[in-house]
Amino acid sequence: AQSVTQLGSHVSVSEGALVLLRCNYSSSVPPYLFWYVQYPNQGLQLLLKYTSAATLVKGINGFEAEFKKSETSFHLTKPSAHMSDAAEYFCAVSVNSGNTPLVFGKGTRLSVIA
Amino acid sequence: NAGVTQTPKFQVLKTGQSMTLQCAQDMNHNSMYWYRQDPGMGLRLIYYSASEGTTDKGEVPNGYNVSRLNKREFSLRLESAAPSQTSVYFCASSEFRGGVYEQYFGPGTRLTVT
Repeated sequence: AQSVTQLGSHVSVSEGALVLLRCNYSSSVPPYLFWYVQYPNQGLQLLLKYTSAATLVKGINGFEAEFKKSETSFHLTKPSAHMSDAAEYFCAVSVNSGNTPLVFGKGTRLSVIA
Repeated sequence: NAGVTQTPKFQVLKTGQSMTLQCAQDMNHNSMYWYRQDPGMGLRLIYYSASEGTTDKGEVPNGYNVSRLNKREFSLRLESAAPSQTSVYFCASSEFRGGVYEQYFGPGTRLTVT
């Protein structure tokens, strides 16, 4: 069975500072990993995905994530936070090319301070 | 393309009442999912349908039933609502894209059971 742990339910950064949201996964088979973003009162939008093609994955809005098998991690980063990045972020794992339901972490709420 | 649509957007029920949450997608996807989102819990899978005519239980199926009416539509029914079913419900569908199945989410239904 797969699982995801997101460290920190709430992260607060200053505008222009580095964003780092942590995600560790557990999977007995090669995982497919995803980061989703949820803006207030909206559905989830895919930020980026890991499919084993490359360990450093670039997504939308300047976000990227690095797959580290030795650390079972897939942390999300952005060099410079914008006010518009304030949202909730979810890490998720799947197997079988992702053709199975996603298992989500509990989410991390990102606040950006002016 | 409307993507994934859900109705209603908001609903208030009394304990013991029944209702059906509707979901439709116009992207010709085979797989569809129902998740619930509760504060601090992330998204948890209720039921999913890998293809028309098939459904499977997820992590939290108790108190719910589903119908995959056709390829487009996947409904979720609460036969006798309970306060513990107060939540935001998301429907999703998935397609194979860029080496992995990506899930697309609807805007959600916010349900309150009093």
